[in-house]
Amino acid sequence: DGGITQSPKYLFRKEGQNVTLSCEQNLNHDAMYWYRQDPGQGLRLIYYSQIVNDFQKGDIAEGYSVSREKKESFPLTVTSAQKNPTAFYLCASSTRLPSYEQYFGPGTRLTVT
Amino acid sequence: GESVGLHLPTLSVQEGDNSIINCAYSNSASDYFIWYKQESGKGPQFIIDIRSNMDKRQGQRVTVLLNKTVKHLSLQIAATQPGDSAVYFCAEKVEGSARQLTFGSGTQLTVLP
Repeated sequence: DGGITQSPKYLFRKEGQNVTLSCEQNLNHDAMYWYRQDPGQGLRLIYYSQIVNDFQKGDIAEGYSVSREKKESFPLTVTSAQKNPTAFYLCASSTRLPSYEQYFGPGTRLTVT
Repeated sequence: GESVGLHLPTLSVQEGDNSIINCAYSNSASDYFIWYKQESGKGPQFIIDIRSNMDKRQGQRVTVLLNKTVKHLSLQIAATQPGDSAVYFCAEKVEGSARQLTFGSGTQLTVLP
């Protein structure tokens, strides 16, 4: 089955620790994205990558870092510099043509205490 | 920057009735729109999309209407079912944008028995 996997589903960390969220896709999509979602709110773009070894900051990149060493993988690291990291994190991928639809993973709920 | 917004944050409908979810956008350069459904704790799922050269598009029990004059998008769900209860997001793509989609804040649809 083709799709996007995110692991783990739930993640707990102590304040001051870096944590890496996994995102893997087997859809052969070029573009991948990371979004943050807070309760009752929409999706805010953290980082996106249109091709391997290249990525751009989104609207709320501060305190986050990414890498794109392989087409299939786009891990997100939430660093200790992120002031309010507790949130639901969604990874997505897309192919640019013919549709601009983004396919989403199931999400990772990160809780930092 | 440009944003996509919604008229109502919540909507309650009786089972079997039709639902209409509205979305306003402000960027006249947007050339593609998409509706997503997000169930609690899950990633968004594609419902239907529409390009700016169309006024209406129909899917299974869903219809999207686009009014470019007033920059308004709506999602109509026919014979609403309990499984339709979810948050619905509209998203737009600005022509030429490498970021592809910008998401609205969502409408919570609740189907009453």
